[in-house]
Amino acid sequence: EPEVTQTPSHQVTQMGQEVILRCVPISNHLYFYWYRQILGQKVEFLVSFYNNEISEKSEIFDDQFSVERPDGSNFTLKIRSTKLEDSAMYFCASSPRLGATEAFFGQGTRLTVV
Amino acid sequence: TQLLEQSPQFLSIQEGENLTVYCNSSSVFSSLQWYRQEPGEGPVLLVTVVTGGEVKKLKRLTFQFGDARKDSSLHITAAQPGDTGLYLCAGETSGSRLTFGEGTQLTVNP
Repeated sequence: EPEVTQTPSHQVTQMGQEVILRCVPISNHLYFYWYRQILGQKVEFLVSFYNNEISEKSEIFDDQFSVERPDGSNFTLKIRSTKLEDSAMYFCASSPRLGATEAFFGQGTRLTVV
Repeated sequence: TQLLEQSPQFLSIQEGENLTVYCNSSSVFSSLQWYRQEPGEGPVLLVTVVTGGEVKKLKRLTFQFGDARKDSSLHITAAQPGDTGLYLCAGETSGSRLTFGEGTQLTVNP
């Protein structure tokens, strides 16, 4: 069964460093998302992406964050200068049609900023 | 800010019992989804409900969307230990954003 895959599964980085989280969405999906979940808290929307541009972003998604679809398969989230409070599980998701219905999530990348 | 409140937050029951989890909001959602999440993993989609009053069944799980599309419930019949997990509801608030509830941690004891 097709699935969203994310790499790495766990990333440890020093505060101030740049990190890139990678995702391969389901191949025939057109809409891509990043969410995050701080330990013990609820899943929060970061950004949605369609047709090579951001469709919507939350207040969390500030200038330190960027997304890119560098080729036909990968979808990346970059954090330019990580802060301690960026430590969280980051989930990529994709859906086949407009709207967040039937969003399929990856296994997540656990980002630890030290 | 649109909020989804889930109740109860924690639920511990014996195998064979029935249970209902609730998801409530003051906002109207164009659709609502239920996910199950295991520790350290991503949410796994169980069902999407779109129409007010809609009822969907998935084996022993019954999902209902309120008539006003502001609330939803998940009912599990004859719970089994394999049903243990974190159940999340998530409402579609715009064309591309899901708002998640805090989740209900269900434990089914053998």
